[in-house]
Amino acid sequence: DTAVSQTPKYLVTQMGNDKSIKCEQNLGHDTMYWYKQDSKKFLKIMFSYNNKELIINETVPNRFSPKSPDKAHLNLHINSLELGDSAVYFCASSPGTANQPQHFGDGTRLSIL
Amino acid sequence: GENVEQHPSTLSVQEGDSAVIKCTYSDSASNYFPWYKQELGKGPQLIIDIRSNVGEKKDQRIAVTLNKTAKHFSLHITETQPEDSAVYFCAASLNNDMRFGAGTRLTVKP
Repeated sequence: DTAVSQTPKYLVTQMGNDKSIKCEQNLGHDTMYWYKQDSKKFLKIMFSYNNKELIINETVPNRFSPKSPDKAHLNLHINSLELGDSAVYFCASSPGTANQPQHFGDGTRLSIL
Repeated sequence: GENVEQHPSTLSVQEGDSAVIKCTYSDSASNYFPWYKQELGKGPQLIIDIRSNVGEKKDQRIAVTLNKTAKHFSLHITETQPEDSAVYFCAASLNNDMRFGAGTRLTVKP
């Protein structure tokens, strides 16, 4: 059973387009995250939601908009895609807001042409 | 904000040898320190973690040590196997705001 699943796994699109990445977790966790991993493998947190409420919002361009319709889903919408947005985006979840292990999906590789 | 440094960036060992990866953190308030293993094409997977009230933790061939005074923590893998080859990340966290090190690419040669 997949715990944290992201779709699509690969996304190739042109500069200027708008795209969405979906994430779902079936672990019953309250907190979900989006991370960006660049070409040098550096992992950086972008957003965190707890029970559909935004709790961490790093310095991310406002072209990135997370949406959490319920606590099992956290989607990421990106407007006006730029070359620098090319990266692997990981969704993760954890049981709560106290320090607990985060479970990661397998990532979405976004390539901007 | 928290800054985590990780060394070395690459590490190559012979099968059966030990591997050690070291991290330092800047924010003394950080109180949770997980280690993740990332294999090619996969997301990071937790392999061991330690909290600030503990100095050492061991799970079979993997151990982690934490020195709060010096603000550094280390991952030790003994009796390495080829399947241990991967990228390893340390992280420091306060209230689920997790900051990662830059990663160590470990290669275990058979």
